[in-house]
Amino acid sequence: GENVEQHPSTLSVQEGDSAVIKCTYSDSASNYFPWYKQELGKGPQLIIDIRSNVGEKKDQRIAVTLNKTAKHFSLHITETQPEDSAVYFCAASSPEYGNKLVFGAGTILRVKS
Amino acid sequence: DAGVIQSPRHEVTEMGQEVTLRCKPISGHNSLFWYRQTMMRGLELLIYFNNNVPIDDSGMPEDRFSAKMPNASFSTLKIQPSEPRDSAVYFCASSHGTGAGDQPQHFGDGTRLSIL
Repeated sequence: GENVEQHPSTLSVQEGDSAVIKCTYSDSASNYFPWYKQELGKGPQLIIDIRSNVGEKKDQRIAVTLNKTAKHFSLHITETQPEDSAVYFCAASSPEYGNKLVFGAGTILRVKS
Repeated sequence: DAGVIQSPRHEVTEMGQEVTLRCKPISGHNSLFWYRQTMMRGLELLIYFNNNVPIDDSGMPEDRFSAKMPNASFSTLKIQPSEPRDSAVYFCASSHGTGAGDQPQHFGDGTRLSIL
């Protein structure tokens, strides 16, 4: 089945700096790539998603890029703020595997003020 | 707007007891998903429903686990009998569409289950 790897597992940045989280996927037929933010005691919250017909998508301080050839996608957060501190998950879904979402292992982001 | 509502938020029970987790999806969403989150295995899809019909239950770990969706606004995940290794956070999510994961999913805040 689909396999999604996520790096790094933890990331510490200074407030105002940028943060980048990277994911790779195994199935070239994957066509939907969401990113979720999970705060302590809460469920994952969708923050941005991208489909395979688009190379980049941006929403204010958050952007996602997709490289289909290399089978990887990245989350970029600019001008980080303390409230960005959370666990971030990438995911991928492929029609080859019933379009079920397969999640990465997560990245703990700490923004130091 | 009300999001996905799960109950209870926390459940502590003894091994062998029956556990029932409940979920109310977002009104108008026609797909519902049950996930389990653990440190070792991360977020795993257990089962999903579309228009109240179970479509794929290949993620359900054992016959001790069962899920139902009697109507568009309610679903249950039941574990009987429960075991300590079932301890985890269980999430319910809902979305529009007919696919399993190619539409944005909205998660509830989960049920933290501890089996002693």
